Amino acid sequence: NAGVMQNPRHLVRRRGQEARLRCSPMKGHSHVYWYRQLPEEGLKFMVYLQKENIIDESGMPKERFSAEFPKEGPSILRIQQVVRGDSAAYFCASSPSGQENTEAFFGQGTRLTVV
Amino acid sequence: SQQGEEDPQALSIQEGENATMNCSYKTSINNLQWYRQNSGRGLVHLILIRSNEREKHSGRLRVTLDTSKKSSSLLITASRAADTASYFCATAINQAGTALIFGKGTTLSVSS
Repeated sequence: NAGVMQNPRHLVRRRGQEARLRCSPMKGHSHVYWYRQLPEEGLKFMVYLQKENIIDESGMPKERFSAEFPKEGPSILRIQQVVRGDSAAYFCASSPSGQENTEAFFGQGTRLTVV
Repeated sequence: SQQGEEDPQALSIQEGENATMNCSYKTSINNLQWYRQNSGRGLVHLILIRSNEREKHSGRLRVTLDTSKKSSSLLITASRAADTASYFCATAINQAGTALIFGKGTTLSVSS
């Protein structure tokens, strides 16, 4: 059973371009979470999605950032018109359910560099 | 503001010694989780302790939870060089305990 797969592992974008980060959850997992980690910092929660639904996006910046988890295919975190401050590691996690005390499994992350 | 705060920020020990890391949090919780992150890698789940538990063991790991003090500790016994990593505590912002708030972590260095 493959773990949470994120791609690409590294992404370089120029200021103003769009960044699309993909996350394939573990098989059988229908809950996906995105986190951002700045250098020397802990992870910051961004958004929690179930298939076709955004459950909690309280950690998402109000502009330029969006996330989706379609019925088919991976979850996508999209950052429009990237700025240097968007440079960070973005981690995706998945869990099989939203039940209490359920462990979330993390992917290896996508390291975004904005130049 | 941070929900979980780890202490110390950095810890350097010799192989074979024990390492203790502490975590304080602010609000009531259903559970508290500890994760490890090797440099440049994703997070690995270590242990989850529920709010009605006081102590939990997993191999060389021992976690305690004191809900009255809103604090937890992670003890790694007989440390090895391979334990070198950053360790984070995390608490949940949703009922399921899967949308997490992490502290800044403790960076542990174990030298041989």
